[in-house]
Amino acid sequence: RKEVEQDPGPFNVPEGATVAFNCTYSNSASQSFFWYRQDCRKEPKLLMSVYSSGNEDGRFTAQLNRASQYISLLIRDSKLSDSATYLCVVNGQGGSEKLVFGKGTKLTVNP
Amino acid sequence: DAGVTQSPTHLIKTRGQQVTLRCSPKSGHDTVSWYQQALGQGPQFIFQYYEEEERQRGNFPDRFSGHQFPNYSSELNVNALLLGDSALYLCASSLYTEQFFGPGTRLTVL
Repeated sequence: RKEVEQDPGPFNVPEGATVAFNCTYSNSASQSFFWYRQDCRKEPKLLMSVYSSGNEDGRFTAQLNRASQYISLLIRDSKLSDSATYLCVVNGQGGSEKLVFGKGTKLTVNP
Repeated sequence: DAGVTQSPTHLIKTRGQQVTLRCSPKSGHDTVSWYQQALGQGPQFIFQYYEEEERQRGNFPDRFSGHQFPNYSSELNVNALLLGDSALYLCASSLYTEQFFGPGTRLTVL
């Protein structure tokens, strides 16, 4: 079983749509959880951290279910600029541990 | 404030050769991690350096080695290159939790 598994995608949605990304992780000792965004041929950039209570940043909402070892990202009112690959990421204890990335899910928002 | 920088941006090598990639961390960051990203995959952790020591290593062979200098910059060395080493090599620096990535070095092995 892979350490981090994501929806394979790709997702193609019209502008204004709501899109959800799902992710599961295998290491129950994982302590920190993130969503990164990666544009084509660019480096990954942190989109948001994911907290147990769930958190929201504008149009983006992240949820974590530790019991199910499940992470989600919801994008509302999607924009053309949201087109990118979304990477689910977990790490171990503290910020100095390695990051474990999912394969990524590609999103294309169409006009 | 300069972010993470990497050099070179692109590199072409042939099988069996050796390569050195370089990374300068974001100002104030003391920890450097290296990742390999093959086409269509997520980045894979190679190793992490802190205080000039390799602190943690991923599942990569000994052909992959590194170094961190007193100014926190880092090098990744790969010996005896294989075709499968073709990838984007990403450096990330951190001080606490968040890791900031550089633009990467795209290595092609022919």
